[in-house]
Amino acid sequence: DAKTTQPTSMDCAEGRAANLPCNHSTISGNEYVYWYRQIHSQGPQYIIHGLKNNETNEMASLIITEDRKSSTLILPHATLRDTAVYYCIVSRSSGTYKYIFGTGTRLKVLA
Amino acid sequence: GAGVSQSPSNKVTEKGKDVELRCDPISGHTALYWYRQRLGQGLEFLIYFQGNSAPDKSGLPSDRFSAERTGESVSTLTIQRTQQEDSAVYLCASSSAQGGNQPQHFGDGTRLSIL
Repeated sequence: DAKTTQPTSMDCAEGRAANLPCNHSTISGNEYVYWYRQIHSQGPQYIIHGLKNNETNEMASLIITEDRKSSTLILPHATLRDTAVYYCIVSRSSGTYKYIFGTGTRLKVLA
Repeated sequence: GAGVSQSPSNKVTEKGKDVELRCDPISGHTALYWYRQRLGQGLEFLIYFQGNSAPDKSGLPSDRFSAERTGESVSTLTIQRTQQEDSAVYLCASSSAQGGNQPQHFGDGTRLSIL
């Protein structure tokens, strides 16, 4: 079973920030949080990942709570092209490193 | 640079036939993964390669499924005697190192339809 829970769906107005939450209350100390998104008929696209500290790149920001039991992916200025299913995954830093996907959050950006 | 490449992009075959799906990982990536995605669902892990070895085959659903990797590069997923429940998108991913925090990079998959 997936170690993360996410809302099934969210809407966001174009140009506004999209904040996508993820709960991972059973995360272990050596597990990273990864975010991917999947646009119809494409493979998952890597967005960002982190361990403890907040992270930012050209696509998004990742905010991880101090107890690491939850995180939020922030798309600062959502566009119509950001409409996708967003997956939050926790994965160990040793062993198989396989991803266990949940059902993700279907984000719809509205014009 | 080139990403993960999968072929064919689409495959339609009759029940009972064998199929081979190919994955070309990003050059230099030592880890390679196969996943399956049924319609409307998340991805299911199938098998993991480190180099040419497969230390984790726990996700293969039956002995009709097998995979190999050669030259620490190309991988082939083979499904024998296909069944209708095998219809899905088969996705391949690669990453640059066994350990640490290197993310997996995915191809666009092979959409397999069993008639």
